[in-house]
Amino acid sequence: QQQVKQSPQSLIVQKGGISIINCAYENTAFDYFPWYQQFPGKGPALLIAIRPDVSEKKEGRFTISFNKSAKQFSLHIMDSQPGDSATYFCAACSGSARQLTFGSGTQLTVLP
Amino acid sequence: GAGVSQSPSNKVTEKGKDVELRCDPISGHTALYWYRQSLGQGLEFLIYFQGNSAPDKSGLPSDRFSAERTGGSVSTLTIQRTQQEDSAVYLCASSSSGSPYNEQFFGPGTRLTVL
Repeated sequence: QQQVKQSPQSLIVQKGGISIINCAYENTAFDYFPWYQQFPGKGPALLIAIRPDVSEKKEGRFTISFNKSAKQFSLHIMDSQPGDSATYFCAACSGSARQLTFGSGTQLTVLP
Repeated sequence: GAGVSQSPSNKVTEKGKDVELRCDPISGHTALYWYRQSLGQGLEFLIYFQGNSAPDKSGLPSDRFSAERTGGSVSTLTIQRTQQEDSAVYLCASSSSGSPYNEQFFGPGTRLTVL
């Protein structure tokens, strides 16, 4: 019940296209859903996060869509750029937890 | 300011040897996490320190793994009698408080290879 399932494992998108990464969870106590971005040789860094009281959060070209009833959330990268090529991790936690539960990651490649 | 630093950046060891991995968190951060990232896998939680509280060791995969945090700052992850399946990138993260809602700042990791 603590798992967060992430798909796809890898994604190739043309420059200017939309990248979509999906995550699903089971634990209804989860109330915080961040996305982390990791470049090769670096640690992950927080990209954007959402609470379940809103269905969407947008920061620049990055948008999180949240569907509470379906227990799913997704990251959309608009106008994808080669510099967006990285591994993306979704995560989730509840206030009673001490740590985030991470998805398995999606390796995004944006072709020039 | 300085971010989270980890050393060494790479470690190659022989099966059966002990290794120590070091993490220097961001100054003033009270929470410190260790994760393991295996090839193509997500981040596997290992252990969590928060202030002077007892650490949460629930993610440690076996009793060969241990960690300590001295003076509420630097942390060392020790793996005894290393096995080939221990090969992975070990990531450390720190946070300004123990709340899981706070951003975790990750170090660059230590890549451990067990031959």
